[in-house]
Amino acid sequence: DIVLTQSPATLSLSPGERATLSCGASQSVNGNYLAWYQQKPGLAPRLLIFDASSRATGIPDRFSGSGSGTDFTLTISRLEPEDFAVYYCQAYGGSRIFTFGPGTKVDIK
Amino acid sequence: EVQLVESGGGLVKPGGSLRLSCAVSGSTFSNAWMSWIRQAPGKGLEWVGLIKSETDGGTIDYAAPVKGRFTISRDDSKNTLYLQMNSLKTEDTALYYCATDFWFYFEHWGRGTLVTVSS
Repeated sequence: DIVLTQSPATLSLSPGERATLSCGASQSVNGNYLAWYQQKPGLAPRLLIFDASSRATGIPDRFSGSGSGTDFTLTISRLEPEDFAVYYCQAYGGSRIFTFGPGTKVDIK
Repeated sequence: EVQLVESGGGLVKPGGSLRLSCAVSGSTFSNAWMSWIRQAPGKGLEWVGLIKSETDGGTIDYAAPVKGRFTISRDDSKNTLYLQMNSLKTEDTALYYCATDFWFYFEHWGRGTLVTVSS
């Protein structure tokens, strides 16, 4: 099964700054079936990016995803106050198994 | 607007059983593939299992930690998804979410129902 790692564990930034979050896979993610989710305290996760680089419905264009194979990146071009949250990557590893990364917390510096 | 509402959580002793429900509105439930995902307190997300639509075969898959103990089912006449949890362990303590599958991802989520396994 695919194992996902995320770095850094915590990212401390100020509003307006650029955030770059990384997600690494233990083996190549077939079809680049890789998603990113945002989770705020007390709320369910929200799908941001799917297929590594496609934005989900209603997601602002300051969120972008890139990468392929085993290395993926979520970039938030300019942090808004509402963007401070935990971000998870998720991959489909084939054989109908779904895996999440441990998460990156983006907090206010 | 798609809405998912989980229910059935609570406190149960190790070895006990619990059945969770997820009521879905605002979409054609019978066509939807559905998943259960859990989140232990202060921890990350863990996929629990998936059930396809009946028209796509109704196949069910489980994560290794719950296989043989948990059973996912659906009642399309009631627009409801279920998770029967048996032989519960303390490590099953978590907030349990249901979610609609969007290809290989999870698009719409409920707010979750808390399951606590403790003596």
